[in-house]
Amino acid sequence: DAGVIQSPRHEVTEMGQEVTLRCKPISGHNSLFWYRQTMMRGLELLIYFNNNVPIDDSGMPEDRFSAKMPNASFSTLKIQPSEPRDSAVYFCASSQTGFYGYTFGSGTRLTVV
Amino acid sequence: GIQVEQSPPDLILQEGANSTLRCNFSDSVNNLQWFHQNPWGQLINLFYIPSGTKQNGRLSATTVATERYSLLYISSSQTTDSGVYFCAVPDMRFGAGTRLTVKP
Repeated sequence: DAGVIQSPRHEVTEMGQEVTLRCKPISGHNSLFWYRQTMMRGLELLIYFNNNVPIDDSGMPEDRFSAKMPNASFSTLKIQPSEPRDSAVYFCASSQTGFYGYTFGSGTRLTVV
Repeated sequence: GIQVEQSPPDLILQEGANSTLRCNFSDSVNNLQWFHQNPWGQLINLFYIPSGTKQNGRLSATTVATERYSLLYISSSQTTDSGVYFCAVPDMRFGAGTRLTVKP
């Protein structure tokens, strides 16, 4: 099993540009989570999906952020337009139903200049 | 939502020492997990422990759900145990973590 796969590993972009982060969950996992980690705010849950349906997006900071899960094997987190304060490490995680077997990807380090 | 508090925020140990990390939560939970984030940023699931006690090598965890806390024990610590330890509760909201530094 390749685990949760995130791409890209690093992203540097200019303020105002659109950024798309990608995640492939573990096959057979039906819950998917997006997190943001910063020194100031720690690990924040942005949104999670169950069976491809968004369940809780209350952590999405503002309308510039959007997430989709078009099928069980792929999810995206998009920031448009990006701002320097969006700089962080973004993690994706997946699990079997009920949060069992929870596994994180390696993260995407985003830098907005 | 459920509030999660972890203590201590920072812990420095000499190699070989034992330690106990604590996670308090504000409401009943049916799910609690412990994670380790290593110095390279990778997050590893240590325990899924909504109640009771589990052991995995030098690490063990105990959750007392009725009293709303969980403990992570690290025995005979090694430098590779360094990093940040997080607990997470239902809906996978994380505490602020305990930063552990093990010195050789």
